Order: sequence, then C-alpha cells, then structure tokens
Amino acid sequence: AQSVTQLGSHVSVSEGALVLLRCNYSSSVPPYLFWYVQYPNQGLQLLLKYTSAATLVKGINGFEAEFKKSETSFHLTKPSAHMSDAAEYFCAVSKGGGSNYKLTFGKGTLLTVNP
Amino acid sequence: DAGVTQSPTHLIKTRGQQVTLRCSPKSGHDTVSWYQQALGQGPQFIFQYYEEEERQRGNFPDRFSGHQFPNYSSELNVNALLLGDSALYLCASSLRGLGETQYFGPGTRLLVL
Repeated sequence: AQSVTQLGSHVSVSEGALVLLRCNYSSSVPPYLFWYVQYPNQGLQLLLKYTSAATLVKGINGFEAEFKKSETSFHLTKPSAHMSDAAEYFCAVSKGGGSNYKLTFGKGTLLTVNP
Repeated sequence: DAGVTQSPTHLIKTRGQQVTLRCSPKSGHDTVSWYQQALGQGPQFIFQYYEEEERQRGNFPDRFSGHQFPNYSSELNVNALLLGDSALYLCASSLRGLGETQYFGPGTRLLVL
C-alpha cells in the first residue's frame, strides 16, 4: 500500500520568503510523486511530477521539489513567495508513471502568504 | 481547447436520494477517474473508467457506480445518499499511457441534508 504524509496542515510565510512544504511517502515499489495545487473553488492543477528521471524536478510558477529516497521525502520549495501562491497544496503518490495508476493524496497543506 | 468540465457545480440532496454527476474529459483523453474530497481532506480515489469499463476501484461501497460513454464522457452515480457523502467530487481525465498526467476538473460540490 502507498501513503503520503504532509507535515503541517497550515504554513504561513511572508511575501518574498522561502516556501517549504513537506511531504513524506511510503511505497512498496519505486514511487511516482506529484504536487498539485488547488485554488479556492477550483480543481487541482499539476505543479510538478517525479517519474524516476532527475531527482530535482522543476515545475510551474517557480516551484521545485527534490526526491530523496533515503529520507522518503519529496518536499516542495519556492525561493520567493508571491501573494498569488496562497492556495492548498497536495502531495500525491502512485505506483506508476502512467495515467492508469490511481493517485493517493496527502491531506494537504494550506499556504497563506502575508504582505 | 476546453479542459475537463463537470456538471452541475453544486448540488443539494437529502438522505436516501440518488445523484448523478457528469464529467466531460479534456479533448483527446480516453480515461476518466473519479475522486471524492471531503472537507479538509485530500482527494480519495473512487474508480477509473477506460474503454467504457471500470478498470480500478478504490475503497468505496457499491452505492457508488459509474459509466463511461463512447465519447469518453463519464457519470458518477451515488445511491442511498448518506450525510457522509457530502464532499467535492472531482473528475480527472487523461490519455492512457506511460508518462501521461491526470488533469482535474473544477469539481461538483454535493451537500447531503
């Protein structure tokens, strides 16, 4: 079975500060990992995904994440937060890199950005 | 190019009733997955349809059923609604294959009273 734990249900940063959202996974097979963002009253938008190529993955809107097998982690970072980054962020894991594999999500981390 | 669309956007039902939610996939996509997102939780996988057949199913009771049509659109049906079925229901479409990504619609918010 696969699972995801997102540490911190709520993270608050100042505009221009570093964003760090934590994700740890559990998987019996080599995982495929994803970060999605959900703005209020909207669906999920893919930020980035890890599919066993490079361990440092760059996504949209300046976000990136690093896969660390030894720590079973896939933390999301952004060097400088913008007000527009305020949203809920979900880490997800699947067994395969194809679309036929179900996604298992964490509970989410709400990011607030203070002016 | 329209993305994934879902209807209706909001729905209010009472316990015991039945509901049907609809999803139109992104153009060119052939696979539809449904997820339930309870308040304050991450989405949970309900099932996936490909070639008009249910291919995978999550840990949901038989009250949850679905269908996929020849044009790849899909319906999610929930019978005998419970208060606990209140949630945001998300549809994700994708092109079946290695390396492909699931794209999510805006969801249908269901409230069961």
